[in-house]
Amino acid sequence: EAGVTQSPTHLIKTRGQQATLRCSPISGHTSVYWYQQALGLGLQFLLWYDEGEERNRGNFPPRFSGRQFPNYSSELNVNALELEDSALYLCASSLGGNQPQHFGDGTRLSIL
Amino acid sequence: AQSVTQPDIHITVSEGASLELRCNYSYGATPYLFWYVQSPGQGLQLLLKYFSGDTLVQGIKGFEAEFKRSQSSFNLRKPSVHWSDAAEYFCAVGAARYGGSQGNLIFGKGTKLSVKP
Repeated sequence: EAGVTQSPTHLIKTRGQQATLRCSPISGHTSVYWYQQALGLGLQFLLWYDEGEERNRGNFPPRFSGRQFPNYSSELNVNALELEDSALYLCASSLGGNQPQHFGDGTRLSIL
Repeated sequence: AQSVTQPDIHITVSEGASLELRCNYSYGATPYLFWYVQSPGQGLQLLLKYFSGDTLVQGIKGFEAEFKRSQSSFNLRKPSVHWSDAAEYFCAVGAARYGGSQGNLIFGKGTKLSVKP
């Protein structure tokens, strides 16, 4: 069974640009979660999508947004990039509710 | 508010020694608890989970954890550490709101484990 896959592995952008990160969940999983892991800040919840709808979002500005497609894959978009957006962005998927979340290897976003 | 505390930022143990990583949580009801491990440059791998029932749960790679409601703790243990166990370990609780899950996990800050030969 394939795990959660994320692309790209690394992404380098400059301030003010826009970034798009992609995630494919484990087959059969309908929920996708996005987390930010920034140096010194730990793992912070960004967004939760389930059945194509945004169900919850963390304490991040609106320039962090995303969507979930009919095949349950997901995109995270970050607009107007700032230096502090440099982080590892992790995607996870699950069967929903409090079922265990399974993580991908992340996208390393670097802002120059 | 729900929270998770991992009091130890960094622990060093000798290979073959036993290990206990501490985790305390703050939660109003029966929590859903998880331990994850992260190797450098990789994502998080689920070690074990507690939902209900037996308070001692077994996980992968020889790890176990014990849920103690009276102490609000969910400590991770391993009887004999291998060099390959060197990594960062995260405890997490499933966030909840009245009537159901909020979906996200609340993570502790992590404990970095180093293993001496």
